[in-house]
This record gives sequence, structure tokens and C-alpha cells, in this order.
Amino acid sequence: EIVLTQSPGTLALSPGERATLSCRASQGVDNNNLAWYQQRPGQAPRLLMFGVSSRATGIPDRFSGSGSGTDFSLTISRLEPEDFAVYYCQQYGSSPLTFGGGTKVEIK
Amino acid sequence: EVQLVESGGELVQPGGSLRLSCAASGLTFSSFAMNWVRQAPGKGLEWVSVISGSGSTTDYADSVKGRFTISRDNSKNTLYLQMNSLRAEDTAIYYCAKAPRRSGSSNYCDYWGQGTLVTVSA
Repeated sequence: EIVLTQSPGTLALSPGERATLSCRASQGVDNNNLAWYQQRPGQAPRLLMFGVSSRATGIPDRFSGSGSGTDFSLTISRLEPEDFAVYYCQQYGSSPLTFGGGTKVEIK
Repeated sequence: EVQLVESGGELVQPGGSLRLSCAASGLTFSSFAMNWVRQAPGKGLEWVSVISGSGSTTDYADSVKGRFTISRDNSKNTLYLQMNSLRAEDTAIYYCAKAPRRSGSSNYCDYWGQGTLVTVSA
């Protein structure tokens, strides 16, 4: 099973600032099959990125993903008020599918 | 617009059984694999199970293997999760989530329902 470790656990930033979230895998993720999800309080998760760097439908271009192998990151170039949420990475290259523990982006 | 609506969650005693349903609309249901993903209160996401578009292929997390069964009725556009021998640690919101393709392997989740709460407690 591939274990995904997300850091930091919490990121306190102000609107307009840049956020960089990390996701490290315990072994290489096949075919860079890595996705990111956003979960706002009381809501279901929403797909942001797949294939490391492809944005899902309707996701603004302030969100970008990068990385390969075992190290991945999600960057939000300028935080908007609606971006304060919890973010999860997920690998889907091998079974079982696994999620990271999440990074909470909160308002400073 | 894709819509996924889960139902069936409730309070159940340890050792009991429950069947969850997920009604899908706005898509050609049989063309897509479907997942169940759960989230314990205040915790992160845990993948539970996946079924291919045809229903011929399934896979499970080790934590539920032998106790949970995923199935689908493509004529009713509905996904199911039969949950037996429930334990306290199965308490969670259960989400159904659509995959972007028919195959049950190597899939992310591109649409999610709002979830249904299962509570296992005496």
C-alpha cells in the first residue's frame, strides 16, 4: 500500500498570498496517477487536479500541480476567500487507492 | 449535470447490517466505474471499494474485505454497498464517487455525492 504524507498539517495564510502544499509518497506513484481534492466544511470533496497537473472542469488557473515519482505539490497562486479549506492528495496508480491525511489552509 | 444521491445511512448496532444506495443521474451510468469513499467524523478520506461500469470487476480496501459487497444495477442507475458485520470503526460518512472511465482500476473520482452517515453504536 502506498502511504501518502501531506505537509504541513495546517497552513495559515492571508487572502492574496501563495500557498504551497506537499504530498510525499512512500513509493513511486505509477504513471503519475495523482489527484488533489478540496473539501470545504460540511461539503463533499471536489476534484481539483488529476494526472498531477491537469485541472478538473471549472477549476480556476490559480490552482496548479507539479511533481513526479514520490514528491508532488499543489500551489494556489493567490488565495481567494473560498480557497480556505482542507486539501487531500490521492494516488490511483495502484490498489488500494490511498489518500493523504490532508492539509488545512486556514485564514491567518 | 451529474448528480449522485446517497441514502440508507442510519444508526446500527455492532454486528448489524446495512445497505447503502447511490442514485445517479445526468450520465450514462454503465459507462463509468463507481467508488465508495468514507470519512470518519473529523478524519480524512478512506477509499472503500470500486466497481467497473459493467459490474464485472470489483475491488475492496482490506479493512472491509469479506464484510462489504459493492454492486450496481445499471437499469436503475443505482450503486449499492451491502455492509455486514459492522463495527464501531465503520462509523463514517459514506460518499459515492464517479470515476472518469469504465474500468475499475487506476481511477480518480471526478464527481461526488453529498454522503450518507452511518453510525455503528450500541
